[in-house]
Amino acid sequence: NAGVTQTPKFQVLKTGQSMTLQCAQDMNHEYMSWYRQDPGMGLRLIHYSVGAGITDQGEVPNGYNVSRSTTEDFPLRLLSAAPSQTSVYFCASSSPGRGNTEAFFGQGTRLTVV
Amino acid sequence: DAKTTQPTSMDCAEGRAANLPCNHSTISGNEYVYWYRQIHSQGPQYIIHGLKNNETNEMASLIITEDRKSSTLILPHATLRDTAVYYCIVRFTKTSYDKVIFGPGTSLSVIP
Repeated sequence: NAGVTQTPKFQVLKTGQSMTLQCAQDMNHEYMSWYRQDPGMGLRLIHYSVGAGITDQGEVPNGYNVSRSTTEDFPLRLLSAAPSQTSVYFCASSSPGRGNTEAFFGQGTRLTVV
Repeated sequence: DAKTTQPTSMDCAEGRAANLPCNHSTISGNEYVYWYRQIHSQGPQYIIHGLKNNETNEMASLIITEDRKSSTLILPHATLRDTAVYYCIVRFTKTSYDKVIFGPGTSLSVIP
């Protein structure tokens, strides 16, 4: 059981390049989300999804796109990378229920935009 | 989701109990209190959660006040490996949405 898997672990991009951060979970969780964490700061929610075909914006969605075509995968796309998007990105998943479930996090993708 | 307030940082001597407070004065009756921790930029790790009763598991205890406006996470015998940022989160999950909003957390340093 792999849990939440994020790829790649490290990435360097040039300004203006595009890329997709991958996130996959094998726990059949309906809910998935993406966070970014900047040095010395807490996690900020970018986008989240409550099920296949359904996505919504979090606290800091600008510059990022997401889609959820399957339950297992929730990719995060940067269409035109900017230095301000240098950060550590975490993906999380959880299953529905009235507060009786935990969120599982991946180990992060460290992105540098130069 | 209700907002939480935590101290920015705390120290604890190794082997002693670490008591981490959290205020959530605007919590509603159907919101749960969750605690996570993040060790050295790894992905956050779930610790414990509760609604109104005190809870205990193999990692920690959670004490929630009777009015539910504050709670305390207790690590009974802190070790150096417990040095981390601890996040207190109030969360209501319903079928139409589920998002976890993190605050800045408390940076706990366990000192030898």
